[in-house]
Amino acid sequence: DTGVSQDPRHKITKRGQNVTFRCDPISEHNRLYWYRQTLGQGPEFLTYFQNEAQLEKSRLLSDRFSAERPKGSFSTLEIQRTEQGDSAMYLCASSLGYRVSTDTQYFGPGTRLTVL
Amino acid sequence: GNSVTQMEGPVTLSEEAFLTINCTYTATGYPSLFWYVQYPGEGLQLLLKATKADDKGSNKGFEATYRKETTSFHLEKGSVQVSDSAVYFCALSEVRADSNYQLIWGAGTKLIIKP
Repeated sequence: DTGVSQDPRHKITKRGQNVTFRCDPISEHNRLYWYRQTLGQGPEFLTYFQNEAQLEKSRLLSDRFSAERPKGSFSTLEIQRTEQGDSAMYLCASSLGYRVSTDTQYFGPGTRLTVL
Repeated sequence: GNSVTQMEGPVTLSEEAFLTINCTYTATGYPSLFWYVQYPGEGLQLLLKATKADDKGSNKGFEATYRKETTSFHLEKGSVQVSDSAVYFCALSEVRADSNYQLIWGAGTKLIIKP
């Protein structure tokens, strides 16, 4: 399977703990995106990378969230001091990123976070 | 700003019925348009796309035509199956002045197919 993969698929944590998610994009894709999705809603953009550079971060993203993409390959999303409101599905997507007018994002299966 | 409006769900149909899920958009410029599908417990999958006016995207029996004159990208399928039950999202690509872009999403339409 050469699609986008995410790990773990499910994470249950207690409020105040830190969590880290991993995303492995499609190998030749330069862009990598993180989204958050809550039940009954469309995806909410969090941040994206062009290779290893983080080019945009949503204004809605608090300082407790940080993302990295060392070497322009896999990416990690860390949430510090989790709150119950952080409970959601965290989606990763990747794309070629060469021609923005026709660029297509491909999504991973998501990591479902539950904060108790 | 750019936006996507989808028909509210859930949409409930019997197997083999004809499906239409409406999607209209507002956008400056010439965005690409997408339909993504999300099966229960899974991530989003690209269903089809169209990158310019009058293009028709198609996949797995689903079709959608990019209509610039009506700013629409309605999803259709001639004969639905129980396995088509899922949430369908319409989206457009908003290209920025700096050549970056974001996907603007509709709220999603839940489709339930009964045998």
